[in-house]
Amino acid sequence: GENVEQHPSTLSVQEGDSAVIKCTYSDSASNYFPWYKQELGKGPQLIIDIRSNVGEKKDQRIAVTLNKTAKHFSLHITETQPEDSAVYFCAAISANYGGSQGNLIFGKGTKLSVKP
Amino acid sequence: NAGVTQTPKFQVLKTGQSMTLQCAQDMNHNSMYWYRQDPGMGLRLIYYSASEGTTDKGEVPNGYNVSRLNKREFSLRLESAAPSQTSVYFCASSGTSGSIGEQFFGPGTRLTVL
Repeated sequence: GENVEQHPSTLSVQEGDSAVIKCTYSDSASNYFPWYKQELGKGPQLIIDIRSNVGEKKDQRIAVTLNKTAKHFSLHITETQPEDSAVYFCAAISANYGGSQGNLIFGKGTKLSVKP
Repeated sequence: NAGVTQTPKFQVLKTGQSMTLQCAQDMNHNSMYWYRQDPGMGLRLIYYSASEGTTDKGEVPNGYNVSRLNKREFSLRLESAAPSQTSVYFCASSGTSGSIGEQFFGPGTRLTVL
């Protein structure tokens, strides 16, 4: 079944610097890779996702890259701001649950702290 | 739109007690999910419902039951709570059919079992 590893578990950056979070997955059949942001006391919220037919996707200060050969994908946040401080989760599809559609397996999360 | 709502927000139970966590969505989504979140463990799928009238086990279903009451509501029941079920529980919904897509999460229920 799918296994998703996420690194680092904690990341501290200075405001304005870039932050990179990396994930690896094990199931070569996975074709959907979302990233969620969870603020303290709230539920996760999708910030960006990528499907396996593209290698990179950008949305303002956030970008995700996907390397299907190496089975890893990364979240890049540029010009970080204090409001980017949160826990970030990557995920990939597992065919173990969900029949033909599959369901998401999440990484263990990265706590990002942006210092003013 | 309220999105995904969950009740209660907090709950303390004694070992062996039962309770039902409620979840409702107003986005007319077909699929609904229950996850648990433990420190350092990420989110793990307990049960899901791909469409009204169907439910299936996820990664960690033991000790739980679910009911898809109608298209809007999906409840999670603990019949005999154990301390190992102390966790934060999230309900989510997704409207995509045919391929997996964005899941919308509720605010969570923080459950403590003594």
